Amino acid sequence: NAGVTQTPKFRVLKTGQSMTLLCAQDMNHEYMYWYRQDPGMGLRLIHYSVGEGTTAKGEVPDGYNVSRLKKQNFLLGLESAAPSQTSVYFCASRPVAGASYNEQFFGPGTRLTVL
Amino acid sequence: GEDVEQSLFLSVREGDSSVINCTYTDSSSTYLYWYKQEPGAGLQLLTYIFSNMDMKQDQRLTVLLNKKDKHLSLRIADTQTGDSAIYFCAEIPYNQGGKLIFGQGTELSVKP
Repeated sequence: NAGVTQTPKFRVLKTGQSMTLLCAQDMNHEYMYWYRQDPGMGLRLIHYSVGEGTTAKGEVPDGYNVSRLKKQNFLLGLESAAPSQTSVYFCASRPVAGASYNEQFFGPGTRLTVL
Repeated sequence: GEDVEQSLFLSVREGDSSVINCTYTDSSSTYLYWYKQEPGAGLQLLTYIFSNMDMKQDQRLTVLLNKKDKHLSLRIADTQTGDSAIYFCAEIPYNQGGKLIFGQGTELSVKP
């Protein structure tokens, strides 16, 4: 049981390049989330999904797109990276019921630098 | 809108108690959380409290909730150097897909 995994762990991009961050969970969780973490600002929600095939905007969605084609995967895309998107990105998942209903399980993070 | 506020730094001596404070604005939040983040790592859930409780104790951790003042605190008894980390307070606003609203994080430094 790997929990929540994120690929890649580190990446450096040039301004204007595109990339996709992959989040995978093997806990059969319905809800999945993408956050970014910046110094002194805590974590801010980018996009989230309440089930396969659904997505919704969070606090800071601009410049990002997401897809949830399979229940276990949640992809975060940057179409044209900007230096302001330099951050650490965290994925999380949560079940819709059960003993862990109130807990979000976090991945280890992806450190992205945009030059 | 929802907002969660924390002080940014706290320094204590090993063996002392640490108290990390948090204020929030959304009175509809049903659960409030404390997460711990060690350097270079993801977030680890420490504990949470349901909004109809005013205290929860779990080994060295005590969570106090004052709903009237919208104030949450985390007390760590007998603080150890291994407790040095960033501690995040978070709330889940009602009926918003279970998203977490985080505070800025409090960096706890424990000196020997």
